[in-house]
Amino acid sequence: DADVTQTPRNRITKTGKRIMLECSQTKGHDRMYWYRQDPGLGLRLIYYSFDVKDINKGEISDGYSVSRQAQAKFSLSLESAIPNQTALYFCATSDAGQNQPQHFGDGTRLSIL
Amino acid sequence: GQNIDQPTEMTATEGAIVQINCTYQTSGFNGLFWYQQHAGEAPTFLSYNVLDGLEEKGRFSSFLSRSKGYSYLLLKELQMKDSASYLCAVRDPSPGGSYIPTFGRGTSLIVHP
Repeated sequence: DADVTQTPRNRITKTGKRIMLECSQTKGHDRMYWYRQDPGLGLRLIYYSFDVKDINKGEISDGYSVSRQAQAKFSLSLESAIPNQTALYFCATSDAGQNQPQHFGDGTRLSIL
Repeated sequence: GQNIDQPTEMTATEGAIVQINCTYQTSGFNGLFWYQQHAGEAPTFLSYNVLDGLEEKGRFSSFLSRSKGYSYLLLKELQMKDSASYLCAVRDPSPGGSYIPTFGRGTSLIVHP
């Protein structure tokens, strides 16, 4: 089983719809992140959380919200989806140490028509 | 903030050696990561550098010069399966003193026979 699981893997929806992307992990990491990846733009940070009571905005948080329901779960919501939010979304986790890498889920490919 | 530069695309021949460069300008530095990402898949961790010098790990090595804001990833004995994007990520000071990795746009490496 994957250590970092994202659901759904693919989603096609319409402009104005509310969408939730979910992420769960079995790695026991406190830190969780949401990124989006667009061709030519690399990975950009949307939100991150260092524990259940901690939520922080990243580089591109406008139009998104998150919820850290438990240590193992971190969900990303698009309250009213728009076409330029079409992208590949990744959830990642990491341990707290300086040299600790991020571990990524398999991604959610989101298309907004 | 961060400015991270990598070449967009490189090509190389199977069995050869290739060097992928990453330069960064940062207000603070707390380590540099390299990740590999095959098309449509999650990024996976390759290496971490925080001190100047070369870190070797099998066919892959990573070098860091903090004074020059420069790193490279060296891939030896290239194989077809090494065709992928290679992402440089620098840990960046964030509000509250937390260091969050910021990613470059990635270098797409194409290995041909």
